[in-house]
Amino acid sequence: QVQLQESGPGLVKPSETLSLTCAVSGYSISSGYYWGWIRQPPGKGLEWIGSIYHSGSTYYNPSLKSRVTISVDTSKNQFSLKLSSVTAADTAVYYCARQDYYGSGSYSYYMDVWGKGTTVTVSS
Amino acid sequence: QSVLTQPPSVSAAPGQKVTISCSGSSSNIGNNYVSWYQQLPGTAPKLLIYDNNKRPSGIPDRFSGSKSGTSATLGITGLQTGDEADYYCGTWDSSLSVNVVFGGGTKLTVL
Repeated sequence: QVQLQESGPGLVKPSETLSLTCAVSGYSISSGYYWGWIRQPPGKGLEWIGSIYHSGSTYYNPSLKSRVTISVDTSKNQFSLKLSSVTAADTAVYYCARQDYYGSGSYSYYMDVWGKGTTVTVSS
Repeated sequence: QSVLTQPPSVSAAPGQKVTISCSGSSSNIGNNYVSWYQQLPGTAPKLLIYDNNKRPSGIPDRFSGSKSGTSATLGITGLQTGDEADYYCGTWDSSLSVNVVFGGGTKLTVL
């Protein structure tokens, strides 16, 4: 059974860098799939942040691209998110998820396994 | 403002059927596959439907998905109180910007 677990600071100061890690168990990241992050501000909907393949290729939400870095550590079977220059607008529950992406012409992209989420508050 | 448009809320009685719509454009729903997620209160989203109408293992056949043109629909039959949740549609957007987009979510109330 594939399981994902987020970890990282629950409080980050404005202008600093948010750093989260997602540990994967029950499946080797090197075996395939994309691995990424989605966030949900309090009382609001889902926002896709980005994803990474085990080879290191990445996709990022254009609205966050200048501030986001997603990396993978296959030796530890985990991947990470860094979001720089945070503001109060980055306060959210952050989920990591296994993501499937395939197609030619028409594409399928969905998240089939989710972590439980971790709350990050940006405040001084 | 979400790229995909969903009704903020729907409601129905136990045992009844409900549908939730998701409207987009040719760059997203019109040319790509749609997925649906259920988010029970205080929990992470859960995949209900992928590739427009496929159910992952363990999802009951009370849940169904369909797509027509630039719109998609989630159907739930035999409503149960445990189905009360927020439901989100999502898809790939093939516009100039690479992106995954979601609807704003629909709150289902089982009366």
